[in-house]
Amino acid sequence: QKEVEQDPGPLSVPEGAIVSLNCTYSNSAFQYFMWYRQYSRKGPELLMYTYSSGNKEDGRFTAQVDKSSKYISLFIRDSQPSDSATYLCAMKGTNAGKSTFGDGTTLTVKP
Amino acid sequence: DAGVIQSPRHEVTEMGQEVTLRCKPISGHDYLFWYRQTMMRGLELLIYFNNNVPIDDSGMPEDRFSAKMPNASFSTLKIQPSEPRDSAVYFCASSSRGGNTIYFGEGSWLTVV
Repeated sequence: QKEVEQDPGPLSVPEGAIVSLNCTYSNSAFQYFMWYRQYSRKGPELLMYTYSSGNKEDGRFTAQVDKSSKYISLFIRDSQPSDSATYLCAMKGTNAGKSTFGDGTTLTVKP
Repeated sequence: DAGVIQSPRHEVTEMGQEVTLRCKPISGHDYLFWYRQTMMRGLELLIYFNNNVPIDDSGMPEDRFSAKMPNASFSTLKIQPSEPRDSAVYFCASSSRGGNTIYFGEGSWLTVV
């Protein structure tokens, strides 16, 4: 079983919809939680970064971490066609140099 | 900042040939990562360095793969001999802040025929 499991998708929504992307994990040592966005034929880019539990908001994006359930989410409000991409969750322990990535969820927002 | 710079962006080579991928990390970053991405296996960490020292190479698939970081501004990933199953996108990434936030290059798209 993988340390990080991500809802596989693909996900297709109409423009303006609220999108929920989710990951679960098994390693309780994870303290840092990240979301990366990857456009087609590009490298992943950091979208959100959260330490420990709680919520973090940045514009239309909200990252949520529930360490008790080992569950993280990324919410996208008022989704736009430009949000169409693959979203990867990633997690890391305090003393580890490397992050563990989910397999990604591909999102398409239709105009 | 120019970001993480990788070369070549695209490479097509014949089976058995040596492939060398190059990376220039973001200045000041002390972590450097090499990842491989395929449809079947997703994003896999091959090896990472901290202050030019290899820390974890457990993801390197086999002895045909090797990576070096001779100084803080340059790293190579070498495949010798290459095989068709090595066809993938290879990403170099760098980070400061203990590796918490990673900045990826645009990738090297490798096709081995």
